[in-house]
Amino acid sequence: GENVEQHPSTLSVQEGDSAVIKCTYSDSASNYFPWYKQELGKGPQLIIDIRSNVGEKKDQRIAVTLNKTAKHFSLHITETQPEDSAVYFCAASTVRDDKIIFGKGTRLHILP
Amino acid sequence: GAGVSQSPRYKVAKRGQDVALRCDPISGHVSLFWYQQALGQGPEFLTYFQNEAQLDKSGLPSDRFFAERPEGSVSTLKIQRTQQEDSAVYLCASSRTGTSGNTIYFGEGSWLTVV
Repeated sequence: GENVEQHPSTLSVQEGDSAVIKCTYSDSASNYFPWYKQELGKGPQLIIDIRSNVGEKKDQRIAVTLNKTAKHFSLHITETQPEDSAVYFCAASTVRDDKIIFGKGTRLHILP
Repeated sequence: GAGVSQSPRYKVAKRGQDVALRCDPISGHVSLFWYQQALGQGPEFLTYFQNEAQLDKSGLPSDRFFAERPEGSVSTLKIQRTQQEDSAVYLCASSRTGTSGNTIYFGEGSWLTVV
């Protein structure tokens, strides 16, 4: 089955700097890659997603890139702000169904 | 409400007790998912329904775990004879259709502590 690896597990960046989180997946049938943000005591919330027919997608300060050949995808957050502090999860799902498999998460700290 | 609703939000169970966790998906959503999230970990897939059909239960850790969605809307996750390792947040999620690439919306979770 699908396996999603995520790193780093913890990331600290200065406010205003950029943060990058990287993930790899194992199943070549994967075609949908969402990213979720989870704040303490809350459920995961979708922040951006990308499908396998595009290589990059951007939404304001957040962008995601996908390299299908290498089976990896990345989340880029620019001009980080204190409210970006949270745990971020990458995930993948295949053409077979719409269940998603998560990475283990990255705890992002934005330093003042 | 407009989102996925879960109850109870918090549950403390004595070891050996049975528990039932309820999920109300977004109205009209075909797919419903249950995930287990241990402290400091990512959500782990448990099981998945399309309408009332349980299509995948490969993630259920043992036969003490049972899920149902009899009318294709509300779902219940039941854990029998709870053990300490069952302590986790149980997340329910739903999506509009059963095809790949649909946004999956999560509830706030049910926090289970087994003592």
